[in-house]
Amino acid sequence: ETGVTQTPRHLVMGMTNKKSLKCEQHLGHNAMYWYKQSAKKPLELMFVYSLEERVENNSVPSRFSPECPNSSHLFLHLHTLQPEDSALYLCASSRQSKNPVIQYFGAGTRLSVL
Amino acid sequence: GQQLNQSPQSMFIQEGEDVSMNCTSSSIFNTWLWYKQEPGEGPVLLIALYKAGELTSNGRLTAQFGITRKDSFLNISASIPSDVGIYFCAGLWGGGADGLTFGKGTHLIIQP
Repeated sequence: ETGVTQTPRHLVMGMTNKKSLKCEQHLGHNAMYWYKQSAKKPLELMFVYSLEERVENNSVPSRFSPECPNSSHLFLHLHTLQPEDSALYLCASSRQSKNPVIQYFGAGTRLSVL
Repeated sequence: GQQLNQSPQSMFIQEGEDVSMNCTSSSIFNTWLWYKQEPGEGPVLLIALYKAGELTSNGRLTAQFGITRKDSFLNISASIPSDVGIYFCAGLWGGGADGLTFGKGTHLIIQP
């Protein structure tokens, strides 16, 4: 248990569906991240929230929409996805500080788009 | 953007053997991290390196931050079956809430 909980663990959706991924951290951190992990590719950073404000958006398609209502919760809203969006979506959190920060990951949501 | 080259891509070893893997980058990092990921789980931090030249151990694991700040290696001594998994290096340029740059991973398989 890393202190970062993601739900659901598995999700199957059609291309016309709308769904949301949820991440919750119990570590008292103030920065949260979404990463995408596809087969045979490095983990790709999607979004960064620091102090509940989005600070980075790595050219992610608009069909992915993040939301960070408070420092403990992060959502990824999905709509009209494509089959190539099937992947493991990982949430991470860290404590923003001047010192190099360590990110702690959740177990991920395995997403399949049909 | 920044890229990390991690090698080898996979390793097939016998239980009890030592393992060595490394990451190289075309640009410098201020922090190197090594994670392990097992099936159905997210990456779990093994070792964090903060200074060029730093050598850090965690049990049977030893990692070093290259002196040029462009590379790092991870060694595992006397491998055991539970060492099976995918090992990722990750580099961090800044501090604060910067995203990590990951290598593609080294898949470690231990043959009985």
